Amino acid sequence: DAGVIQSPRHEVTEMGQEVTLRCKPISGHDYLFWYRQTMMRGLELLIYFNNNVPIDDSGMPEDRFSAKMPNASFSTLKIQPSEPRDSAVYFCASSAGNLNTEAFFGQGTRLTVV
Amino acid sequence: AQKVTQAQTEISVVEKEDVTLDCVYETRDTTYYLFWYKQPPSGELVFLIRRNSFDEQNEISGRYSWNFQKSTSSFNFTITASQVVDSAVYFCALYNTGGFKTIFGAGTRLFVKA
Repeated sequence: DAGVIQSPRHEVTEMGQEVTLRCKPISGHDYLFWYRQTMMRGLELLIYFNNNVPIDDSGMPEDRFSAKMPNASFSTLKIQPSEPRDSAVYFCASSAGNLNTEAFFGQGTRLTVV
Repeated sequence: AQKVTQAQTEISVVEKEDVTLDCVYETRDTTYYLFWYKQPPSGELVFLIRRNSFDEQNEISGRYSWNFQKSTSSFNFTITASQVVDSAVYFCALYNTGGFKTIFGAGTRLFVKA
């Protein structure tokens, strides 16, 4: 398996623009997580899905952030409009069977909002 | 409340030295899981170990070993005879069944110099 695949790897955008980050989880995994990593706040869970259904989005910072999982092999995290403080590395991860199992992470998308 | 503390922000050692990364956790749950992940310079987090709260046996995997002590709420990670390839950020994480999410520590950046 190719592992969790995220695109793009790097994104530079101007403030106010819409940004869409994409993730393909490992086939067969029924949990999908979106994390954000910054120097100030470390690794934060934004939202997670189980069987394509959003379960906990309490970590989503603002209404500008939204996430979808239209099917078992694809998820998006959208920021609209983007702001400089959204600059971070965004990770997607997936796991199988249970929340207490290990997660497999993608390589992340480094987002810079100027 | 649940919390993971990695008090060591950065550690620098010379190759072949042993190094221990500390992790202290807080949780009110009796059932929980502890993890260590490695984040190499390439960016993605790589799972190293998972331990549940009922299993206090120490674990050794090659040059890596983990010491889980419920009495002190610690789950420390030791690398024996460190190598340059061990240079990375290491994260300790906690999942408790009451919270339904995994909390990560701030991470410890390890530099191993040749």
